[in-house]
Amino acid sequence: AQTVTQSQPEMSVQEAETVTLSCTYDTSESDYYLFWYKQPPSRQMILVIRQEAYKQQNATENRFSVNFQKAAKSFSLKISDSQLGDAAMYFCAYRVNTDKLIFGTGTRLQVFP
Amino acid sequence: EAQVTQNPRYLITVTGKKLTVTCSQNMNHEYMSWYRQDPGLGLRQIYYSMNVEVTDKGDVPEGYKVSRKEKRNFPLILESPSPNQTSLYFCASSESPFPRETQYFGPGTRLLVL
Repeated sequence: AQTVTQSQPEMSVQEAETVTLSCTYDTSESDYYLFWYKQPPSRQMILVIRQEAYKQQNATENRFSVNFQKAAKSFSLKISDSQLGDAAMYFCAYRVNTDKLIFGTGTRLQVFP
Repeated sequence: EAQVTQNPRYLITVTGKKLTVTCSQNMNHEYMSWYRQDPGLGLRQIYYSMNVEVTDKGDVPEGYKVSRKEKRNFPLILESPSPNQTSLYFCASSESPFPRETQYFGPGTRLLVL
Protein backbone atom coordinates (compact mmCIF):
# COMPACT_ATOMS: atom_id res chain seq x y z
CA ALA A 1 0.00 0.00 0.00
CA GLN A 2 1.14 3.50 -0.73
CA THR A 3 1.50 5.58 2.41
CA VAL A 4 2.93 8.91 3.45
CA THR A 5 4.27 9.41 6.96
CA GLN A 6 4.96 12.66 8.72
CA SER A 7 6.44 11.73 12.08
CA GLN A 8 6.51 15.24 13.55
CA PRO A 9 3.02 16.37 14.63
CA GLU A 10 4.41 19.74 15.71
CA MET A 11 7.55 21.77 15.12
CA SER A 12 8.63 25.21 16.16
CA VAL A 13 11.25 27.61 14.90
CA GLN A 14 12.52 31.05 15.75
CA GLU A 15 11.95 33.77 13.20
CA ALA A 16 14.83 33.98 10.69
CA GLU A 17 16.03 30.50 11.57
CA THR A 18 15.86 27.34 9.48
CA VAL A 19 13.58 24.39 10.10
CA THR A 20 13.23 21.01 8.39
CA LEU A 21 10.01 19.03 8.22
CA SER A 22 10.27 15.30 7.62
CA CYS A 23 8.29 13.09 5.29
CA THR A 24 8.73 9.49 4.27
CA TYR A 25 6.66 7.48 1.87
CA ASP A 26 6.22 3.92 0.82
CA THR A 27 5.80 2.92 -2.79
CA SER A 28 6.84 0.31 -5.29
CA GLU A 29 6.50 2.75 -8.19
CA SER A 30 9.52 4.26 -9.89
CA ASP A 31 7.85 7.30 -11.39
CA TYR A 32 5.81 9.55 -9.14
CA TYR A 33 5.51 13.07 -7.84
CA LEU A 34 5.87 14.54 -4.38
CA PHE A 35 4.38 17.73 -3.04
CA TRP A 36 4.41 19.90 0.04
CA TYR A 37 1.23 21.83 0.76
CA LYS A 38 0.77 24.58 3.30
CA GLN A 39 -2.50 25.05 5.15
CA PRO A 40 -2.63 28.38 7.02
CA PRO A 41 -5.36 29.22 9.55
CA SER A 42 -7.59 30.20 6.62
CA ARG A 43 -7.69 26.43 5.91
CA GLN A 44 -6.92 26.81 2.22
CA MET A 45 -4.43 24.33 0.77
CA ILE A 46 -1.55 26.07 -0.94
CA LEU A 47 1.08 24.32 -3.00
CA VAL A 48 4.56 25.08 -1.65
CA ILE A 49 6.83 22.93 -3.77
CA ARG A 50 6.84 19.78 -5.86
CA GLN A 51 9.42 17.23 -6.91
CA GLU A 52 9.42 14.79 -9.80
CA ALA A 53 10.88 11.43 -8.78
CA TYR A 54 12.87 11.09 -11.99
CA LYS A 55 14.77 14.30 -11.27
CA GLN A 56 17.84 13.97 -9.10
CA GLN A 57 18.08 17.69 -8.46
CA ASN A 58 16.24 18.90 -5.40
CA ALA A 59 13.44 21.38 -6.05
CA THR A 60 13.75 24.91 -4.71
CA GLU A 61 11.23 27.74 -4.44
CA ASN A 62 12.69 30.86 -2.86
CA ARG A 63 13.11 30.06 0.86
CA PHE A 64 11.68 26.56 0.48
CA SER A 65 13.74 23.61 -0.65
CA VAL A 66 13.49 19.87 -0.43
CA ASN A 67 15.92 17.09 0.32
CA PHE A 68 14.73 14.23 -1.86
CA GLN A 69 16.33 10.88 -1.14
CA LYS A 70 14.72 8.43 -3.53
CA ALA A 71 16.42 5.29 -2.25
CA ALA A 72 15.47 6.13 1.31
CA LYS A 73 11.98 7.27 0.22
CA SER A 74 12.43 10.49 2.08
CA PHE A 75 11.20 13.95 1.11
CA SER A 76 11.94 16.62 3.70
CA LEU A 77 11.08 20.31 3.43
CA LYS A 78 13.55 22.95 4.53
CA ILE A 79 12.33 26.44 5.28
CA SER A 80 15.10 29.01 5.47
CA ASP A 81 14.86 32.45 7.07
CA SER A 82 11.53 31.50 8.66
CA GLN A 83 8.87 34.18 8.80
CA LEU A 84 5.81 34.58 10.98
CA GLY A 85 3.66 33.97 7.92
CA ASP A 86 5.15 30.51 7.55
CA ALA A 87 3.20 29.34 10.59
CA ALA A 88 0.76 26.76 9.28
CA MET A 89 0.01 23.09 8.92
CA TYR A 90 2.24 21.45 6.32
CA PHE A 91 1.21 18.35 4.43
CA CYS A 92 3.43 16.09 2.43
CA ALA A 93 1.68 14.38 -0.49
CA TYR A 94 2.50 11.75 -3.05
CA ARG A 95 0.91 11.22 -6.42
CA VAL A 96 1.10 8.32 -8.83
CA ASN A 97 -1.22 7.12 -11.57
CA THR A 98 -4.04 9.33 -12.66
CA ASP A 99 -6.32 9.54 -9.72
CA LYS A 100 -4.69 9.49 -6.36
CA LEU A 101 -3.05 12.15 -4.25
CA ILE A 102 -2.07 10.60 -0.92
CA PHE A 103 -1.47 12.90 2.03
CA GLY A 104 0.42 12.56 5.25
CA THR A 105 -1.18 13.55 8.54
CA GLY A 106 0.51 16.92 8.64
CA THR A 107 3.02 18.84 10.76
CA ARG A 108 1.99 21.98 12.57
CA LEU A 109 4.72 24.61 12.38
CA GLN A 110 4.88 27.42 14.89
CA VAL A 111 7.11 30.41 14.30
CA PHE A 112 8.20 32.48 17.27
CA PRO A 113 9.39 36.08 17.02
CA GLU B 1 -8.17 35.11 -11.35
CA ALA B 2 -7.77 31.35 -11.56
CA GLN B 3 -9.55 29.74 -8.66
CA VAL B 4 -11.61 26.94 -7.22
CA THR B 5 -14.65 28.09 -5.27
CA GLN B 6 -16.75 26.16 -2.81
CA ASN B 7 -20.10 26.99 -1.25
CA PRO B 8 -21.05 27.16 1.47
CA ARG B 9 -17.88 27.71 3.48
CA TYR B 10 -19.58 26.72 6.72
CA LEU B 11 -22.62 24.55 7.23
CA ILE B 12 -24.43 23.19 10.26
CA THR B 13 -27.12 20.65 9.58
CA VAL B 14 -28.99 17.79 11.21
CA THR B 15 -28.80 14.08 10.62
CA GLY B 16 -30.68 12.95 7.54
CA LYS B 17 -31.21 16.34 5.90
CA LYS B 18 -29.89 16.19 2.36
CA LEU B 19 -27.28 18.77 1.45
CA THR B 20 -25.09 19.75 -1.48
CA VAL B 21 -21.71 21.42 -1.41
CA THR B 22 -20.92 23.10 -4.68
CA CYS B 23 -17.50 23.31 -6.31
CA SER B 24 -16.63 25.35 -9.35
CA GLN B 25 -13.36 26.04 -11.16
CA ASN B 26 -12.65 28.63 -13.84
CA MET B 27 -9.49 27.08 -15.26
CA ASN B 28 -11.13 24.66 -17.73
CA HIS B 29 -9.60 21.77 -15.80
CA GLU B 30 -10.57 18.24 -16.74
CA TYR B 31 -9.78 16.60 -13.43
CA MET B 32 -11.66 17.37 -10.22
CA SER B 33 -11.66 15.72 -6.86
CA TRP B 34 -13.21 15.87 -3.39
CA TYR B 35 -11.31 15.30 -0.15
CA ARG B 36 -12.23 15.30 3.49
CA GLN B 37 -9.80 16.33 6.21
CA ASP B 38 -10.02 14.91 9.70
CA PRO B 39 -7.62 15.41 12.62
CA GLY B 40 -4.83 12.86 12.63
CA LEU B 41 -5.90 11.41 9.28
CA GLY B 42 -4.74 14.02 6.80
CA LEU B 43 -6.78 14.39 3.63
CA ARG B 44 -8.60 11.44 2.15
CA GLN B 45 -10.09 11.30 -1.30
CA ILE B 46 -13.86 10.83 -1.53
CA TYR B 47 -14.58 10.93 -5.26
CA TYR B 48 -12.88 12.15 -8.38
CA SER B 49 -13.83 12.94 -11.94
CA MET B 50 -11.64 12.65 -15.01
CA ASN B 51 -14.03 14.61 -17.22
CA VAL B 52 -17.70 15.39 -17.80
CA GLU B 53 -19.90 12.42 -16.96
CA VAL B 54 -16.87 10.43 -15.74
CA THR B 55 -16.64 9.91 -11.99
CA ASP B 56 -15.14 7.27 -9.73
CA LYS B 57 -14.79 6.41 -6.07
CA GLY B 58 -11.84 7.44 -3.98
CA ASP B 59 -10.83 6.00 -0.63
CA VAL B 60 -13.89 6.99 1.42
CA PRO B 61 -16.94 7.25 -0.88
CA GLU B 62 -19.58 5.80 1.46
CA GLY B 63 -22.39 8.23 2.15
CA TYR B 64 -21.48 10.59 -0.66
CA LYS B 65 -22.54 11.16 -4.25
CA VAL B 66 -21.13 13.38 -6.96
CA SER B 67 -22.06 14.46 -10.45
CA ARG B 68 -20.16 16.08 -13.30
CA LYS B 69 -22.64 17.45 -15.80
CA GLU B 70 -20.48 20.43 -16.71
CA LYS B 71 -16.73 20.70 -16.86
CA ARG B 72 -16.50 23.55 -14.36
CA ASN B 73 -18.79 22.13 -11.65
CA PHE B 74 -18.40 19.12 -9.38
CA PRO B 75 -20.96 19.14 -6.55
CA LEU B 76 -20.72 16.84 -3.55
CA ILE B 77 -24.03 15.47 -2.34
CA LEU B 78 -24.80 14.01 1.06
CA GLU B 79 -28.17 12.32 0.69
CA SER B 80 -28.57 11.51 4.38
CA PRO B 81 -25.79 13.13 6.41
CA SER B 82 -24.62 11.50 9.62
CA PRO B 83 -22.46 12.88 12.45
CA ASN B 84 -19.43 10.90 11.22
CA GLN B 85 -19.47 13.08 8.12
CA THR B 86 -18.63 16.12 10.21
CA SER B 87 -15.41 17.22 8.62
CA LEU B 88 -13.56 19.79 6.56
CA TYR B 89 -14.12 19.23 2.84
CA PHE B 90 -11.91 20.33 -0.02
CA CYS B 91 -12.55 20.38 -3.72
CA ALA B 92 -9.55 20.35 -6.03
CA SER B 93 -8.91 20.51 -9.75
CA SER B 94 -6.03 20.02 -12.16
CA GLU B 95 -5.50 20.49 -15.86
CA SER B 96 -5.31 16.80 -16.54
CA PRO B 97 -5.34 13.61 -14.50
CA PHE B 98 -1.64 13.05 -15.02
CA PRO B 99 0.40 12.96 -11.85
CA ARG B 100 2.69 15.79 -12.86
CA GLU B 101 -0.18 18.22 -12.75
CA THR B 102 -0.56 20.28 -9.62
CA GLN B 103 -3.94 20.21 -7.99
CA TYR B 104 -5.51 23.52 -7.07
CA PHE B 105 -7.58 23.47 -3.94
CA GLY B 106 -10.69 25.38 -2.98
CA PRO B 107 -10.94 27.23 0.34
CA GLY B 108 -12.66 24.37 2.14
CA THR B 109 -16.15 23.78 3.56
CA ARG B 110 -16.52 23.06 7.24
CA LEU B 111 -19.51 20.80 7.86
CA LEU B 112 -21.06 19.97 11.22
CA VAL B 113 -23.75 17.31 11.30
CA LEU B 114 -25.74 17.23 14.53
